[in-house]
Amino acid sequence: DSGVTQTPKHLITATGQRVTLRCSPRSGDLSVYWYQQSLDQGLQFLIHYYNGEERAKGNILERFSAQQFPDLHSELNLSSLELGDSALYFCASSEHPGNTEAFFGQGTRLTVV
Amino acid sequence: AQSVTQPDIHITVSEGASLELRCNYSYGATPYLFWYVQSPGQGLQLLLKYFSGDTLVQGIKGFEAEFKRSQSSFNLRKPSVHWSDAAEYFCAVGAHYGGSQGNLIFGKGTKLSVKP
Repeated sequence: DSGVTQTPKHLITATGQRVTLRCSPRSGDLSVYWYQQSLDQGLQFLIHYYNGEERAKGNILERFSAQQFPDLHSELNLSSLELGDSALYFCASSEHPGNTEAFFGQGTRLTVV
Repeated sequence: AQSVTQPDIHITVSEGASLELRCNYSYGATPYLFWYVQSPGQGLQLLLKYFSGDTLVQGIKGFEAEFKRSQSSFNLRKPSVHWSDAAEYFCAVGAHYGGSQGNLIFGKGTKLSVKP
């Protein structure tokens, strides 16, 4: 158990819909990272938050957004969903933005039908 | 641009045999390097990491990796593979985006199968 909790574990939704994925980081970790894992793209970095502020963006679509709340949990919002958004979405947390060890959650498997 | 290459998509080894998974990286500065393992339906677990110092690093589950700057490589090794090692292995390099380090660039992964 990494200490990072992601909910829900599985999500099935229709095209055009909007979903919210939730991540609770390890106790004491201020940094939260979101990654997308798909068969064709592999593991791609989406976005990084540190102590409530956005720190870096990767290959994140404009239809996607995220935030980190005062209690440090984070949410990834995916809207106008397309079939190609079906993937495994991981959250990871670390103590601070330096290259310390990042701990990954179990992921949320999103299926868009 | 930073990148990670894992040349082997799938490797099969016999139980008890030695294992080496290859990883090459492209990075402009001193890299931070990681190996993660992902079992089916599971998240990513860190096996080992290299930040600086001794170029041979030891990890969990009997794995080790050697950083070779001249070859831009960070290969993962295990002297004797167990059936429970069957999983997918990802090499990653620490990237620098907009002043904030910490996010990772991953290779495509190497799937390891273990024959009894």
